[in-house]
Amino acid sequence: QKEVEQDPGPLSVPEGAIVSLNCTYSNSAFQYFMWYRQYSRKGPELLMYTYSSGNKEDGRFTAQVDKSSKYISLFIRDSQPSDSATYLCAGGGGADGLTFGKGTHLIIQP
Amino acid sequence: GAVVSQHPSRVICKSGTSVKIECRSLDFQATTMFWYRQFPKKSLMLMATSNEGSKATYEQGVEKDKFLINHASLTLSTLTVTSAHPEDSSFYICSASKGQAINQPQHFGDGTRLSIL
Repeated sequence: QKEVEQDPGPLSVPEGAIVSLNCTYSNSAFQYFMWYRQYSRKGPELLMYTYSSGNKEDGRFTAQVDKSSKYISLFIRDSQPSDSATYLCAGGGGADGLTFGKGTHLIIQP
Repeated sequence: GAVVSQHPSRVICKSGTSVKIECRSLDFQATTMFWYRQFPKKSLMLMATSNEGSKATYEQGVEKDKFLINHASLTLSTLTVTSAHPEDSSFYICSASKGQAINQPQHFGDGTRLSIL
């Protein structure tokens, strides 16, 4: 089974709030995980890449992986209107490439 | 950096036409390139994986003769939609990864919106 589940939203929060985006997956073979941001009519842009359980921080973004519960999260601190986009999570491992979630549409209200 | 350029960004053409889409890695050598379709509110659907100098590997349900992929160099892959029909209208996105390791991140182009009339 290769599914990655992600709530499509839309998720609407006020500017400055902390945003939590989440995905669950079912494939135990997944070894690495990525978060992409996709603006309308554009290709996905790599935000975060993690290879193990735990947290990884990059500026206002923190990616969290819990392999025991097959749960991955992306936190955005001090959210800005420019963060409004669709966020795609993806998992990969073994002989397969990436499996993407459907994406969560995030709206940051000024 | 890891810049991937995809061209054209938008194509509108008549049914029966063949359309070629180019995907270039501008600042790195891409041993592996991927082609996806994306439908509104749906996840990226992998169509095929192409490795430089060898035949592409197609996902189940994707017609090889319909979607021709050529990966002639380490910086260029092309997708040709042959005899396109309205049901082929979609957003096609390519991605490229550095090296051959399966865990390399993929870097995406900006996609091609194909509309078949």
